Amino acid sequence: DTGVSQDPRHKITKRGQNVTFRCDPISEHNRLYWYRQTLGQGPEFLTYFQNEAQLEKSRLLSDRFSAERPKGSFSTLEIQRTEQGDSAMYLCASSSGGTSGYEQYFGPGTRLTVT
Amino acid sequence: GQNIDQPTEMTATEGAIVQINCTYQTSGFNGLFWYQQHAGEAPTFLSYNVLDGLEEKGRFSSFLSRSKGYSYLLLKELQMKDSASYLCAVCDSNYQLIWGAGTKLIIKP
Repeated sequence: DTGVSQDPRHKITKRGQNVTFRCDPISEHNRLYWYRQTLGQGPEFLTYFQNEAQLEKSRLLSDRFSAERPKGSFSTLEIQRTEQGDSAMYLCASSSGGTSGYEQYFGPGTRLTVT
Repeated sequence: GQNIDQPTEMTATEGAIVQINCTYQTSGFNGLFWYQQHAGEAPTFLSYNVLDGLEEKGRFSSFLSRSKGYSYLLLKELQMKDSASYLCAVCDSNYQLIWGAGTKLIIKP
């Protein structure tokens, strides 16, 4: 397995446009997380899935953000009507869960720039 | 509320030892993680502590005291490639990771 992958690695978009990011987790991992990170800060939790079920979504997340994991494998994160404040690195991570599996493995991230 | 505190920045000399501290207050505790993050890259796992004491892994060691809500990451024989941010994260009662803002470590020759 090659680890967690994300696509695209970089995205530049104009304010008001919609963007969609994809994450492919490690194949045997049933938990998938989305985070947002800005410079000098730790990852900020957005949402997470166990298999195809979205179990938690940050209360700080506006309705413009939506995520799916339709078959319990890859996931997509969509941001509608992007704003300049959405510019950040969007990180995806996966874990296997269980008593020894809470370690999260991160993908390389998608850097979003909203102009 | 939940809170993870760690110093913003530290400087150390190549070949020396540095200790990065982390204190936490969270709703429940299911372990503490340390991650390394180089600029522009994703975090990578370094260590996991769930019981009190010291875990050693090569040049890196991590310590945990649950009663004090305290951990540290110890880096020995520092190398220039250790220049990075070090993130402390606590797994809370919902098995979510609560992240600190990270400590930027600068290594000088």
